Amino acid sequence: EVQLVQSGAEVKKPGESLKISCQGSGYTFTSYWIGWVRQMPGKGLEWMGIIYPGDSDTRYSPSFQGQVTISADKSISTAYLQRSSLKASDTAMYYCAGRVGSYGPDAFDIWGQGTMVTVSS
Amino acid sequence: EVVLTQSPGTLSLSPGERATLSCRASQSVSSRYLAWYQQKPGQAPRLLIYGVSSRAIGIPDRFSGSGSGTDFTLTISRLEPEDFAVYYCQQYGSSSGTFGQGTKVEIK
Repeated sequence: EVQLVQSGAEVKKPGESLKISCQGSGYTFTSYWIGWVRQMPGKGLEWMGIIYPGDSDTRYSPSFQGQVTISADKSISTAYLQRSSLKASDTAMYYCAGRVGSYGPDAFDIWGQGTMVTVSS
Repeated sequence: EVVLTQSPGTLSLSPGERATLSCRASQSVSSRYLAWYQQKPGQAPRLLIYGVSSRAIGIPDRFSGSGSGTDFTLTISRLEPEDFAVYYCQQYGSSSGTFGQGTKVEIK
């Protein structure tokens, strides 16, 4: 079964750092794009960035460039999203999503279950 | 960055009716890179349409997409009870992507 499994919910304090993970299985992880999408409480979807694990080609939304780091460890078929100096406004559900039906980053056809991140003092 | 504007914000319809959702881009979008998603409360989004008009695997044929350039449409021919949800369009271009703000399809 093709799936993405994300790490569990996080509760952080302002100023702390965050690294959440997304492990792919059931497909060739290195051959397909994988990305991250943010959804703040009660709000819409925001495209953050994508990575091609085969060569670590990474592309960011201008809104998130310099604010987050997307990486991948192909040896364990896992993608990561990192953020330092968290703020309360980083409280959101973070989804990883992949494209396994095509070799381009045109859309996301598989999704992780989401990782809820809460930032509160 | 391409801005996608969806309209209407909310669509109130009855089961069996036709739903027409609009997505307008601030600049031309490649036809390969326009997609539509459905999201229900507490769930991850689900891909419905990619490449403007191609249905994703398992998506019923009552869902269809059309458009080109800056104007795109998602049509649900006859609403089923499970279709009441929020719908997002999404584009990818110039090494970045964006989502529209969403259209909620609610039961009238």
